[in-house]
Amino acid sequence: KAGVTQTPRYLIKTRGQQVTLSCSPISGHRSVSWYQQTPGQGLQFLFEYFSETQRNKGNFPGRFSGRQFSNSRSEMNVSTLELGDSALYLCASSLLGGTHDTGELFFGEGSRLTVL
Amino acid sequence: GQQLNQSPQSMFIQEGEDVSMNCTSSSIFNTWLWYKQDPGEGPVLLIALYKAGELTSNGRLTAQFGITRKDSFLNISASIPSDVGIYFCAGVNFNKFYFGSGTKLNVKP
Repeated sequence: KAGVTQTPRYLIKTRGQQVTLSCSPISGHRSVSWYQQTPGQGLQFLFEYFSETQRNKGNFPGRFSGRQFSNSRSEMNVSTLELGDSALYLCASSLLGGTHDTGELFFGEGSRLTVL
Repeated sequence: GQQLNQSPQSMFIQEGEDVSMNCTSSSIFNTWLWYKQDPGEGPVLLIALYKAGELTSNGRLTAQFGITRKDSFLNISASIPSDVGIYFCAGVNFNKFYFGSGTKLNVKP
């Protein structure tokens, strides 16, 4: 069974640009969450999507947005990039809220964004 | 909000030693999860706990779901160099995951 797949793995952008990151969840998982991880800040929750609807949202500015498609694949977008947006962006999928919810969250390998 | 206090923040141990780390909260959780993250990679699920008092092992790793449902600990026995990484706990409630700040483990050969 394939795990959570994130693309791209690495990318470099400059301030003011925008970026789109993609995530394919584990087959059958309808919940997809996004996290930002910076050194010393741990895992900061961005948002969670379930069946194409944003179900939960963290405390990030509106420059951070996401969406989920009917096949459960998800994208997140960051507009008007700032230096502080440099981080590892992690996508995670789960059965949470579904019929066979096991309460487990599975992460992808992350997309490392560097903003210059 | 529901916050998890994970300790210690970092540990430096000798290969072969046992390690213990824990997470506590003022809130009750229905599920506790423990993850390990290697540098530049995503966290990998090590152990999942579903019932208060549950004790679960995965090789040299043992984790317990506290009886009060407000805490959990992870033990690693006979540590080896590849145990190096950051260990995260997570509590799960009402479709939400709450993460500890991580324990950075360093193992000296």
